Amino acid sequence: TQLLEQSPQFLSIQEGENLTVYCNSSSVFSSLQWYRQEPGEGPVLLVTVVTGGEVKKLKRLTFQFGDARKDSSLHITAAQPGDTGLYLCAGGTGANSKLTFGKGITLSVRP
Amino acid sequence: EPEVTQTPSHQVTQMGQEVILRCVPISNHLYFYWYRQILGQKVEFLVSFYNNEISEKSEIFDDQFSVERPDGSNFTLKIRSTKLEDSAMYFCASSEDLGYNEQFFGPGTRLTVL
Repeated sequence: TQLLEQSPQFLSIQEGENLTVYCNSSSVFSSLQWYRQEPGEGPVLLVTVVTGGEVKKLKRLTFQFGDARKDSSLHITAAQPGDTGLYLCAGGTGANSKLTFGKGITLSVRP
Repeated sequence: EPEVTQTPSHQVTQMGQEVILRCVPISNHLYFYWYRQILGQKVEFLVSFYNNEISEKSEIFDDQFSVERPDGSNFTLKIRSTKLEDSAMYFCASSEDLGYNEQFFGPGTRLTVL
């Protein structure tokens, strides 16, 4: 069974701070997605990474896929209250296979 | 921007009743999925569907569940005889054939079984 462990589970920071959160597994994934989910809504895709070591940027968010394709990190620079939400990572093992989700990281950015 | 849509947004049903959850995937996508999320828990895979066939299903997806693409746009999930433990958010997702996995999710249907 493939598992994705996300850490920390909860994070509360002040506006303007930087943060890094993690998504780890003992299994290799062919791709990894980061989603953001608001309460009562569906996951919204932020980024897909497919190559080991790949780095993608989305404004103040930087995503990295581990060299061995077993882990990923999300770094947010100068966090804003609008970044508050649940961040999910999800891994796939094939081109259109099922996604395995982590439990998510609840981020709260205080003004 | 194209998006996955789902109806209804909330469905309340009595235990033992049949429910059908509906999804309209993104129009040029070929792969369709259902996931569910019990309150406070992880998003869990139920089933994937391609070329009018189930391509993969989880152990959750037992004989009480079925999927169908009745026409060129809709994708449905049927639960024949609902149980209390079927109460969850159900998400439809779709992807195109990019050679890598990139799934777009709908807003979900909240199913409440009483």
